[in-house]
Amino acid sequence: QKEVEQDPGPLSVPEGAIVSLNCTYSNSAFQYFMWYRQYSRKGPELLMYTYSSGNKEDGRFTAQVDKSSKYISLFIRDSQPSDSATYLCAMKRGNKLVFGAGTILRVKS
Amino acid sequence: KAGVTQTPRYLIKTRGQQVTLSCSPISGHRSVSWYQQTPGQGLQFLFEYFSETQRNKGNFPGRFSGRQFSNSRSEMNVSTLELGDSALYLCASSPWTSGKDEQFFGPGTRLTVL
Repeated sequence: QKEVEQDPGPLSVPEGAIVSLNCTYSNSAFQYFMWYRQYSRKGPELLMYTYSSGNKEDGRFTAQVDKSSKYISLFIRDSQPSDSATYLCAMKRGNKLVFGAGTILRVKS
Repeated sequence: KAGVTQTPRYLIKTRGQQVTLSCSPISGHRSVSWYQQTPGQGLQFLFEYFSETQRNKGNFPGRFSGRQFSNSRSEMNVSTLELGDSALYLCASSPWTSGKDEQFFGPGTRLTVL
């Protein structure tokens, strides 16, 4: 079993939809939680960074962490075609960063 | 601030050859990590360097090695290339002033092994 599980998709939504991306994890030692966005042929770009349970909002993006359930989510409001990318969750324990497989998101205009 | 830079961006090699990839971190960042990204395995951690010392290592064979220089620039080397080494190699830098420092990625080097 992988430490971090993420559905690879693809997830296809119409423009303007609310998108929900999720990851589960098995190791309670993870302390920090991140979401990265990766466009084709580019390196991952950090979107959100949280280290406690609860919600963190930044513009159209909301990151949610539930440590008791070992579950994290990224919500994208009013999705745009420019949001089409692969979204990677990542979790850190000590110095080690572990990534999920990434979810391919396609927002259709 | 300039971001993480990686050279070269694209590389084609044949089996058995060796390759060296270079990474320049964001100015002031002291930690450099390397990752391999493939469609099948996703992003996998190779190793991390901090102040010229390897601090962490992933589960890759000894053919994969790296080093960091006093100016924090880092190189990784892959010897005796195999077809399965074809991948996007990503470098990420971090200031590492506390445990929660986030990592910033470069654009990657796409290696194709023929």
